[in-house]
Amino acid sequence: NAGVTQTPKFQVLKTGQSMTLQCAQDMNHEYMSWYRQDPGMGLRLIHYSVGAGITDQGEVPNGYNVSRSTTEDFPLRLLSAAPSQTSVYFCASSLPGQGFYGYTFGSGTRLTVV
Amino acid sequence: AQSVAQPEDQVNVAEGNPLTVKCTYSVSGNPYLFWYVQYPNRGLQFLLKYITGDNLVKGSYGFEAEFNKSQTSFHLKKPSALVSDSALYFCAVRDGAGNNRKLIWGLGTSLAVNP
Repeated sequence: NAGVTQTPKFQVLKTGQSMTLQCAQDMNHEYMSWYRQDPGMGLRLIHYSVGAGITDQGEVPNGYNVSRSTTEDFPLRLLSAAPSQTSVYFCASSLPGQGFYGYTFGSGTRLTVV
Repeated sequence: AQSVAQPEDQVNVAEGNPLTVKCTYSVSGNPYLFWYVQYPNRGLQFLLKYITGDNLVKGSYGFEAEFNKSQTSFHLKKPSALVSDSALYFCAVRDGAGNNRKLIWGLGTSLAVNP
């Protein structure tokens, strides 16, 4: 049971480049989400999904796209990277059903945009 | 509006002493409350939660938290701190009404346990 797997762990992009941050979970979690973590700003929600085919915006969605074609995968796309997107990105998922018992987090992707 | 406050950016405590990391919240319904820990260069790890029931919740690594409805607080505690407890601690709340899975996060408190 791998939990939540994020790849890559580190990435350096040039301004204007595009890339996809990968997130996969093997726990059959319906809910998946992407956060960015910046010093002094805590965790901010970028996008989330309550199930395959359903996505919605969080607090800071601009510059990011997501899709959810399967229960397992929830990739985050940066279409044209900007220095303001330099951050640590975390993917998180949670158990299905009406109960809510907290998230399982991936180990993060540290992204630098130069 | 829902919110979470962690009033201390940093807490310093000597090894062996008790520690407290504070959290206060504001939600419209009954709160679901969580504490997570983040070690350097790692993802967040779940410590404990309060959904309902006993106000004193026990979690991982010897941590516990006390839910106080009248003070809208959920402070994290440990009777005897270890150097290995040094990390960043996040409090989070979810409004218990409905099926909303979104958590509202505090900004984090950095705990330093000195040998």
